[in-house]
Amino acid sequence: DTGVSQNPRHKITKRGQNVTFRCDPISEHNRLYWYRQTLGQGPEFLTYFQNEAQLEKSRLLSDRFSAERPKGSFSTLEIQRTEQGDSAMYLCASSTGQGKDTEAFFGQGTRLTVV
Amino acid sequence: AQKVTQAQTEISVVEKEDVTLDCVYETRDTTYYLFWYKQPPSGELVFLIRRNSFDEQNEISGRYSWNFQKSTSSFNFTITASQVVDSAVYFCALRIGFQKLVFGTGTRLLVSP
Repeated sequence: DTGVSQNPRHKITKRGQNVTFRCDPISEHNRLYWYRQTLGQGPEFLTYFQNEAQLEKSRLLSDRFSAERPKGSFSTLEIQRTEQGDSAMYLCASSTGQGKDTEAFFGQGTRLTVV
Repeated sequence: AQKVTQAQTEISVVEKEDVTLDCVYETRDTTYYLFWYKQPPSGELVFLIRRNSFDEQNEISGRYSWNFQKSTSSFNFTITASQVVDSAVYFCALRIGFQKLVFGTGTRLLVSP
């Protein structure tokens, strides 16, 4: 396992369709984060899991967004009834739970384009 | 509230020049962590360094060095003898405890041959 893996890398969808992204964290990393990055901006936090528990959700995460992490392994992020404003890069990151002196490692992201 | 400001939107240099990327942060917490990440065109954020608020020692790693000054709430990043491969967007970020990272808007560095 060499890093955080995200699939698909690119997704083009029509407005109103549902999409689902997958993130496979680094093995044994019990923390998993989702971020969204729009053009010219830094990543913005969406949600955070420790093992299978979703501990924090950003106000950016509207009711159309849902994230899961069954069994504390991989995670999925689903967007229902996509809107053009959802077009962005969705980044997943993971980190260990061993103390606070840790860093998050990011995947290559899923670029979503809503047409 | 926490905030990170990277005032330099884009910097262009010629190879072998030194370049400093500025980062200013805001937080009322006394314990926090600062990070720098590199984002090449491929999109993946590559971790460069982590610093906790109690460690103000500057750090050097090869051509990279970081200057952390709590008095000015700054955590600046210098690349010595820049190379074309250094071209990327660089993000400074702040974290409180185990919580989320708060990123700046990034600085795009263009290094030309």
